[in-house]
Amino acid sequence: DADVTQTPRNRITKTGKRIMLECSQTKGHDRMYWYRQDPGLGLRLIYYSFDVKDINKGEISDGYSVSRQAQAKFSLSLESAIPNQTALYFCATSAKISNQPQHFGDGTRLSIL
Amino acid sequence: GQNIDQPTEMTATEGAIVQINCTYQTSGFNGLFWYQQHAGEAPTFLSYNVLDGLEEKGRFSSFLSRSKGYSYLLLKELQMKDSASYLCAVQRGTYKYIFGTGTRLKVLA
Repeated sequence: DADVTQTPRNRITKTGKRIMLECSQTKGHDRMYWYRQDPGLGLRLIYYSFDVKDINKGEISDGYSVSRQAQAKFSLSLESAIPNQTALYFCATSAKISNQPQHFGDGTRLSIL
Repeated sequence: GQNIDQPTEMTATEGAIVQINCTYQTSGFNGLFWYQQHAGEAPTFLSYNVLDGLEEKGRFSSFLSRSKGYSYLLLKELQMKDSASYLCAVQRGTYKYIFGTGTRLKVLA
């Protein structure tokens, strides 16, 4: 079983719809992140969370919100989807120790028509 | 500011050696990571450097020079399965990771 699980894996929806992407992890990590990946732009940070009570905006948080329901669960919502939010979304986790890598989920491919 | 530069694309032949460079400018440097990402899949961790010098791990090695803001990933004995994107990521402080746009490597038979 994957350590970091994202659902759904693929989603096609229409402009204006509310969408939730979910992420769960079994690694026991405190830190969780949401990124989007666009061709030629690399991974960009949307939100990150150090624990259930600590949520922070990343560089491109406008149009997104998050919820940390438990240590193991971190969901990303698009309140009213727009076409330029079409992208590949990744959830990642990391341990508190600074020399530890991030562990990524398999991604959610989101298309907004 | 903060900036990470990598070549967009490289091509090499099966069995050869390839070096993928990464230059960065950032404050609060706290380490540099290399990830491999096959098309449409998750990035997976390859190597980590925080001190100057070379880290070797099987066919993969990574080098860091903090004074020059420079790192490279060296892949030896290239295999077809090494065709992927390679992401350079700098850790700022204790929690923030800044990613380059990645280098797409094509390995030809």
